[in-house]
Amino acid sequence: DIVMTQSPLSLPVTPGEPASISCRSSQSLLHGNGNIHLDWYLQKPGQSPQLLIYMVSNRASGVPDRFSGSGSGTDFTLQISRVEAEDVGVYYCMQFLQTPPTFGQGTKVEIK
Amino acid sequence: QVQLVESGGGSVKPGGSLRLSCAASGFSFSDYYMSWIRQAPGKGLEWISCIERSGSIMLYADSVKGRFTISRDNAKKSLYLQMNTLRDEDTAVYYCARPMHTTSWYNDFQHWGQGTLVTVSS
Repeated sequence: DIVMTQSPLSLPVTPGEPASISCRSSQSLLHGNGNIHLDWYLQKPGQSPQLLIYMVSNRASGVPDRFSGSGSGTDFTLQISRVEAEDVGVYYCMQFLQTPPTFGQGTKVEIK
Repeated sequence: QVQLVESGGGSVKPGGSLRLSCAASGFSFSDYYMSWIRQAPGKGLEWISCIERSGSIMLYADSVKGRFTISRDNAKKSLYLQMNTLRDEDTAVYYCARPMHTTSWYNDFQHWGQGTLVTVSS
């Protein structure tokens, strides 16, 4: 299975400041069709996960533009340009290049 | 709007069985692949199974292969997970999830249910 490794695992943030989460895969997520098979999810406290970013850099419907995704090969980043209080929760990256799709361990974002 | 409502969770002894259901509404159920994803208490997310639109192709994580069976009834707009030979480590909240795109197998999960808790304990 492809192993997804996130860092940091805990991220205290200050509202209004930027934040960044790293995700690394144990092998390249580049598909033969040229797409990179990586999504980002956020699980807010007490809620089901929600899709933030698909295919590395595409924001899902309703996701604020302060969220952005980037990366290639095995290294990926989720950035929040200006953190808001509602952004707290656990962020997961997920690869779907191979079955089974696998998630990172999660990065817990909390307000300082 | 899209709704996914899981049911069927509960407490069961090791070796026992449970059948989870996921009732879908607000979209054309038969157009989408569907997945089950679970989350052990205080832990991360684990994809465990998905099923193709017509129900003819099913995929499983190794952790549940041979014990769990995914199925669907498109007429009833429902997804199922038959769980047999349950183990302590199957204790988790089980979510059904639908991708954003009709062409997506097990990715871009835009819609999730609220989850149903399965507790396996003697």
